[in-house]
Amino acid sequence: EIVMTQSPATLSVSPGERATLSCRASQSLSSNLAWYQQKPGQAPRLLIYGESTRATGIPARFSGSGSGTEFTLTISSLQSEDFAVYYCQQYNTWPTFGQGTRLEIK
Amino acid sequence: QITLKESGPTLVRPTQTLTLTCTFSGFSLSTRGEGVGWIRQPPGKALEWLALVYWDDDERYSPSLKNRLTITKDTSKNQVVLTMTNLDPVDTATYFCAHRREAGIVGYFDYWGQGTLVTVSS
Repeated sequence: EIVMTQSPATLSVSPGERATLSCRASQSLSSNLAWYQQKPGQAPRLLIYGESTRATGIPARFSGSGSGTEFTLTISSLQSEDFAVYYCQQYNTWPTFGQGTRLEIK
Repeated sequence: QITLKESGPTLVRPTQTLTLTCTFSGFSLSTRGEGVGWIRQPPGKALEWLALVYWDDDERYSPSLKNRLTITKDTSKNQVVLTMTNLDPVDTATYFCAHRREAGIVGYFDYWGQGTLVTVSS
């Protein structure tokens, strides 16, 4: 099983600032990584797949980067609706998710 | 437009069997490359993938739960059913079904149901 480790567990950022979330895999994934956003009481929403491709309708302020075992989700200028929990998921082998990063308002 | 919706019991007794149904629209599970997965989330915790069923009847399960899970599809009804045996209170979670987008063998999940909360308690 590929273990996904996200950091930090909680990130406090002010609106308008940049947020950088990290995800590390226990084995190389090539680019088989997705990012999801989840708000309270809602299902996860696909943001990024293929490590850097934005899903349909996702604003350009969301970007993904990385390769191999280290990946990053960057939100360039935080809007109020971006404060949520973010999960990474690998699909190089059978799916596993990270434990999530909670992005909160500073 | 792809939509999915989960249905099933909200309360299950320990040791009982849980049966959840995912009813979907906007795609067909008889089309090559399509798949539907189940993912769960205990309250306040992370997501955990459970099972996947593919258009060609292939089934895949989480290694840690495979002995307790069965996933089936009914193409004519546009439904996928997940069965989990021998429930325990630790199985209390919101259960989601999701459309799998083909990317290699596994893929990622681009459309999700709203989820259904299942509580395991006596």
